[in-house]
Amino acid sequence: GESVGLHLPTLSVQEGDNSIINCAYSNSASDYFIWYKQESGKGPQFIIDIRSNMDKRQGQRVTVLLNKTVKHLSLQIAATQPGDSAVYFCAEVNTNAGKSTFGDGTTLTVKP
Amino acid sequence: DTGVSQDPRHKITKRGQNVTFRCDPISEHNRLYWYRQTLGQGPEFLTYFQNEAQLEKSRLLSDRFSAERPKGSFSTLEIQRTEQGDSAMYLCASSPGGSQGGRNQPQHFGDGTRLSIL
Repeated sequence: GESVGLHLPTLSVQEGDNSIINCAYSNSASDYFIWYKQESGKGPQFIIDIRSNMDKRQGQRVTVLLNKTVKHLSLQIAATQPGDSAVYFCAEVNTNAGKSTFGDGTTLTVKP
Repeated sequence: DTGVSQDPRHKITKRGQNVTFRCDPISEHNRLYWYRQTLGQGPEFLTYFQNEAQLEKSRLLSDRFSAERPKGSFSTLEIQRTEQGDSAMYLCASSPGGSQGGRNQPQHFGDGTRLSIL
């Protein structure tokens, strides 16, 4: 069967390894999804987004995967660097409603 | 590049006092949002504006809270008779919004105002 990645509140990886951060969303009407990175004392910073008519989108070193069947979103970071250490949040958006609903964050720690 | 600007960055006040925060969005962004974030949690939606119209308010926004965006540019969030539970980071975000093509646009956040109630 299909496995769904679990959300973990913390993730520790070695520098250079790939990281996978998972998120479950709740609203079937959500049609737009965003990953944000938040460093201490700062506001969330946009990383990558994906619309509900897509299942994969790639950016620079980051890939977002969307599985609408099980309402699951993941963020893959390739060759993780110490500067990637931060809290990562997924957000789901129902563009008719306008607001974003944030999931539980994952604190990523990159060990040198 | 002028991103979203919030003022003040930190506010310490005594319980029962009124506080007001200001947010200057990215120029020409039609949508402006307010969120509250407590330690270890994701931002929680409070309210948002399309230009000067306040279109939605969360149940979190009690009658002690009021937000305005009088000219469709900057916004203020006021908390009256502050309580201990109001201690949090208050985040403002903006996005283009307002048209069909611009609806799926990420929100750009400021660095927030941290409120501490003594």
